[in-house]
Amino acid sequence: QKEVEQNSGPLSVPEGAIASLNCTYSDRGSQSFFWYRQYSGKSPELIMSIYSNGDKEDGRFTAQLNKASQYVSLLIRDSQPSDSATYLCAVNIGTASKLTFGTGTRLQVTL
Amino acid sequence: GAGVSQTPSNKVTEKGKYVELRCDPISGHTALYWYRQSLGQGPEFLIYFQGTGAADDSGLPNDRFFAVRPEGSVSTLKIQRTERGDSAVYLCASAVGAPGYEQYFGPGTRLTVT
Repeated sequence: QKEVEQNSGPLSVPEGAIASLNCTYSDRGSQSFFWYRQYSGKSPELIMSIYSNGDKEDGRFTAQLNKASQYVSLLIRDSQPSDSATYLCAVNIGTASKLTFGTGTRLQVTL
Repeated sequence: GAGVSQTPSNKVTEKGKYVELRCDPISGHTALYWYRQSLGQGPEFLIYFQGTGAADDSGLPNDRFFAVRPEGSVSTLKIQRTERGDSAVYLCASAVGAPGYEQYFGPGTRLTVT
């Protein structure tokens, strides 16, 4: 089992819809979770961090964390074509300082 | 304010040569990380500095790879006797502390070994 798993996609959603991206992780002791957006040919850009169970909202983005089920998700409301990118889930596995990344989910927002 | 900067943005080198990649973190960030990313994969951890010392170098693939951060700010990743398999994007990230703090990435250095 990989330490951080994501569906590689592509996930295709129409403009204006809600995009739902999911991630599972292996270590129940993990405490810190991040979502990065990566456009083709660019470096990862931090969009959300979450540390406690429940929802955290920032503009059109909502991160959801469920430590009991070991999953973290990202919802993007009112999806725009500019949201088309690869979304990387990253976790501080256990007490490690390094981030462990999933392989990313490619999101395509269609007109 | 200024983000993480990396130089060069692109580096093409011949197999067997030595290369140095530089990272200048966000001012005041004590934690500095090196990752590398291959096509279609997430970034993979190489090494983490807290201040001047390497706190975790467990991701360095072999002894051809070495990194320094002598004054606790700029870091240099050094690769000796480069191999074609070293070709990747090398990413640097910094954070105000560790663990659990948000890491901010630089633009990366694309290394191509011919």
